[in-house]
Amino acid sequence: NAGVTQTPKFRILKIGQSMTLQCTQDMNHNYMYWYRQDPGMGLKLIYYSVGAGITDKGEVPNGYNVSRSTTEDFPLRLELAAPSQTSVYFCASSYILRAVEAFFGQGTRLTVV
Amino acid sequence: TQLLEQSPQFLSIQEGENLTVYCNSSSVFSSLQWYRQEPGEGPVLLVTVVTGGEVKKLKRLTFQFGDARKDSSLHITAAQPGDTGLYLCAGVLRNAGNMLTFGGGTRLMVKP
Repeated sequence: NAGVTQTPKFRILKIGQSMTLQCTQDMNHNYMYWYRQDPGMGLKLIYYSVGAGITDKGEVPNGYNVSRSTTEDFPLRLELAAPSQTSVYFCASSYILRAVEAFFGQGTRLTVV
Repeated sequence: TQLLEQSPQFLSIQEGENLTVYCNSSSVFSSLQWYRQEPGEGPVLLVTVVTGGEVKKLKRLTFQFGDARKDSSLHITAAQPGDTGLYLCAGVLRNAGNMLTFGGGTRLMVKP
């Protein structure tokens, strides 16, 4: 199993540009999450999904959008990139809610200039 | 203000020393996890605790979930340089949806 796969690994965006961060998992997990991690800090939840067609805002959703059309895929969309969105983005998935054990991708390092 | 507050934020110790990292909240959690993250990688799960008062051991690491399920601790005995990394606690709030929220992390450096 590949687990959680994120693409791209690195990206530089200009202010105002848009992009989609891709996330795919092959573990048939129903829960998926997007986090951002600023240097030396913990993870802040952007959006999460408990199943196909269902998404919810996390702690820091402004400037981002998500969709969940399939169990496997959970893309994160940045519409108008801003320098404040420079961060490392992690996608994660899990199966059981009460004892959540999240599996993470390798991350996407995004720089907005 | 974070739901989960970790302390200390930074810890630098010598090989062989013991240490304890704390994860505190005013809220009750259904479950709580500890993760370890190395530079350039995603966090990797170390342990999950679900019962108040629960203690789990993983070799030299001991994890405890508070009786009231609002806090947790991670104790490392005889730390080794390989323990260096960012330690993160995370939890699912009881009666608050399905969000998995993380603490700010404790960055540990173990010097040889």
